[in-house]
Amino acid sequence: EMVMTQSPATLSVSPGERATLSCRASQSVSNRVAWYQQKPGQAPRLLIYGASTRATGIPARFSGSGSGTEFTLIISSLQSEDSAVYYCQQYNNWPPYTFGQGTKLEIK
Amino acid sequence: QVQLVQSGAEVKKPGSSVKVSCKASGGNFRTDIISWVRQAPGQGLEWMGGITPIFGTANYAQRFKGRLTISADEVTTTAYMELSSLTFEDTAVYYCAREWDKYYGMDVWGQGTTVIVSS
Repeated sequence: EMVMTQSPATLSVSPGERATLSCRASQSVSNRVAWYQQKPGQAPRLLIYGASTRATGIPARFSGSGSGTEFTLIISSLQSEDSAVYYCQQYNNWPPYTFGQGTKLEIK
Repeated sequence: QVQLVQSGAEVKKPGSSVKVSCKASGGNFRTDIISWVRQAPGQGLEWMGGITPIFGTANYAQRFKGRLTISADEVTTTAYMELSSLTFEDTAVYYCAREWDKYYGMDVWGQGTTVIVSS
């Protein structure tokens, strides 16, 4: 079964700086990767699909890249509201969809 | 504006079943893909299965096959997730989520339903 591995598990970054989150697939998933943001007590929110396309209403400071097995989510000009857990998800080899274990982003 | 509204929290005994509903409005329910994703306390997201109502056939994650049933009612635009033979490990928040096409990710999520399995 496909495995998605995210790194780091926790990331602490200062406001205004840039955060780089990584996601690796155990086999190629083409560009079929989505990124989600989840804040405590809330449902996940779609940020990126197709590895690099921002979902509706997502600010331009969120950007995604990658293909094959390596993917990156970059959040530039970090704001306090970006504190959350971020998940990658593959939807190329389905079923099942698989999620990474999450990266917790803390704003210093 | 597409919305998914889920049924309320449940407390169940081990060995029993739970059925959670997900009422959709504002989208094209028949052709949307409705997935169920769960999250155990302090844990990550786990995809359980999904259905496209117009086709009627659900797909399931292997680990839930045999005790998970996902269904959809086109008339009421409601999807259902029924999990049987509950154990303490099934305590989680259960979300429904929709994709309007398999390429575009799960763009709308329900508010989540807490299921607690307790003796």
